[in-house]
Amino acid sequence: DIQMTQSPSTLSASVGDRVTITCRASQSISSWLAWYQQKPGKAPKVLIYKASSLESGVPSRFSGSGSGTEFTLTISSLQPDDFATYYCQQYNSHSTFGGGTKVEIK
Amino acid sequence: EVQLVQSGAEVKKPGESLKISCKGSGYSFTSFWIGWVRQMPGKGLEWMGTIYPGDSDTRYSPSFQGQVTISVDKSISTAYLQWSSLKASDSAIFYCVGSYSSGWYRYWGQGTLVIVSS
Repeated sequence: DIQMTQSPSTLSASVGDRVTITCRASQSISSWLAWYQQKPGKAPKVLIYKASSLESGVPSRFSGSGSGTEFTLTISSLQPDDFATYYCQQYNSHSTFGGGTKVEIK
Repeated sequence: EVQLVQSGAEVKKPGESLKISCKGSGYSFTSFWIGWVRQMPGKGLEWMGTIYPGDSDTRYSPSFQGQVTISVDKSISTAYLQWSSLKASDSAIFYCVGSYSSGWYRYWGQGTLVIVSS
């Protein structure tokens, strides 16, 4: 099984901040990585797929980068609607989600 | 519009069996991978497995292999997740998810809450 490690697990930030979340894979997954946003009581929503492709309708302040074993999700200017939990997912071999990063209001 | 509509919440006792469903619409059911994702209370997402209705190719996470069964009924565009003997630790929200490529999931059902308690 490929393990996915996200950091940090919790992040406190203010509106307008630049936020970066990291996801590390236990072995190379090429670019087969997606990022999701989940709000309380709701199903997750995909933001980024294939490491850096922005899903249609997702604001351009979200971006993804990386390949191999290290990946990042960046929110260029945090908006009130962005306070949520974020998960990475590898789909190179079966699939595995990271443990999640909760973005809280500072 | 692609929709995945899941069956309603369930309350069961340990040892009972259960089959929850996910009905797809708005796309070709046989050319679309359907997966299942578990979220235990207050915890993260766990990928359980996936099935391709076109040929019933089914793949399980090692963590869930032998613990659950994923199946489909193509005639009614419905996928299933079933347990033969529930445990209290099976209590969670289960999401069905959809993908054209057995990879990332654009489409999510609304979730089915399963509570297992004596």
